[in-house]
Amino acid sequence: DIQMTQSPSTLSASLGDRVTITCRASQSISSWLAWYQQKPGKAPKLLIYKASTLESGVPSRFSGSGSGTEFTLTISSLQPDDFATYYCQQYNTYSPAFGQGTKVEIK
Amino acid sequence: EVQLVESGGGLVKPGGSLRLSCAASGFAFSSHRMNWVRQAPGKGLESVSSIDTFSSYIHYADSVKGRFTISRDNAKNSLYLQMDSLRVEDTAVYYCAREGLLGPWSPSDYWGQGTLVTVSS
Repeated sequence: DIQMTQSPSTLSASLGDRVTITCRASQSISSWLAWYQQKPGKAPKLLIYKASTLESGVPSRFSGSGSGTEFTLTISSLQPDDFATYYCQQYNTYSPAFGQGTKVEIK
Repeated sequence: EVQLVESGGGLVKPGGSLRLSCAASGFAFSSHRMNWVRQAPGKGLESVSSIDTFSSYIHYADSVKGRFTISRDNAKNSLYLQMDSLRVEDTAVYYCAREGLLGPWSPSDYWGQGTLVTVSS
């Protein structure tokens, strides 16, 4: 099975900061990568799919890049609503796998 | 409006069984692969099981293989997860999630609110 590794596990940042989260796959997944945002007590919300395509309704300050085994999620200017946990997921098999998550905290 | 509503969670003793249900509405249920994803308290997301549109292809995480059974009833717009031989480590919120129709492979674009399963003596 494909393993997904995210870094960092926790990120402390201030409002307006540019934030980057990295996700690595144990083998090539082409661009079959999604990013989710989860807030406490809520279900995950799809932000980006196909590595760089923004889901409808997601603010343009979110962007994704990468292919193969290395991917990044970038928030260009951190807003109050962005403090949450972010997960990457590979979905190019019948056994989709998540990264362990990155919690974005207020600095 | 797409809705996924899970039910069936609760408190069960180790070795016991539970059956989770997910009622889908607002979309063509039979056209979408479906997933169960769980999240243990304070932990990350774990894919538990997935099923394709006509139950032809089913996958289980190694952690639940042989104990959990996923199924669907397209006529009733419903997804199920039969959980047997439950262990303390199965304690989690269980989410039902719909895979999109964005290509040959799609991420989960809609999720239910989750149902809590607690395995404890």
